[in-house]
Amino acid sequence: QQQVKQSPQSLIVQKGGIPIINCAYENTAFDYFPWYQQFPGKGPALLIAIRPDVSEKKEGRFTISFNKSAKQFSLHIMDSQPGDSATYFCAASSLIGNEKLTFGTGTRLTIIP
Amino acid sequence: DTAVSQTPKYLVTQMGNDKSIKCEQNLGHDTMYWYKQDSKKFLKIMFSYNNKELIINETVPNRFSPKSPDKAHLNLHINSLELGDSAVYFCASSPPFAQGLYGYTFGSGTRLTVV
Repeated sequence: QQQVKQSPQSLIVQKGGIPIINCAYENTAFDYFPWYQQFPGKGPALLIAIRPDVSEKKEGRFTISFNKSAKQFSLHIMDSQPGDSATYFCAASSLIGNEKLTFGTGTRLTIIP
Repeated sequence: DTAVSQTPKYLVTQMGNDKSIKCEQNLGHDTMYWYKQDSKKFLKIMFSYNNKELIINETVPNRFSPKSPDKAHLNLHINSLELGDSAVYFCASSPPFAQGLYGYTFGSGTRLTVV
């Protein structure tokens, strides 16, 4: 059962553009929504995370938008750079209980110069 | 100084063999995990340990046996390896949310190839 759906599967954006990656979840018990960035040959690394008490969070060029009623959240990357080319995963967790993260299927992002 | 280290980084072995992957974290976290990443990059949790106690065991064949000798170490032993076990295995650790700092720290992965 895919509890976190992520789209698109791959994305190509010109340098300076704003790639947007979308995720939707089903489990209303989820209350923690991180994004991870993975470069080839490396493990995923935490990029930014949001709790459902806010609708937006910014850290540097990365912004999460969160829509609790629609059960959707998205990652925006401002002024994208070739160094942002990586696979991005959204995830969700309930912080009450065993706190395991359920990951989306990943988006392979390529930023072309 | 690597926060979550896994060994080996690459493992090539024949079907039917038994192999182990080791993981160590120096972050002082209480919880450690094993995740499997398949060829399509999908990350799926396998096991979780909290302070040496197994707390998550997701429908994983019993050929896979995790062991946590202490809270800084979580090893994964796989018996009778099958072709379908080929994947990248990631170890991760996390502090309890109650500490106000939450996020998984992943190791760099072990690429297992069964031939």
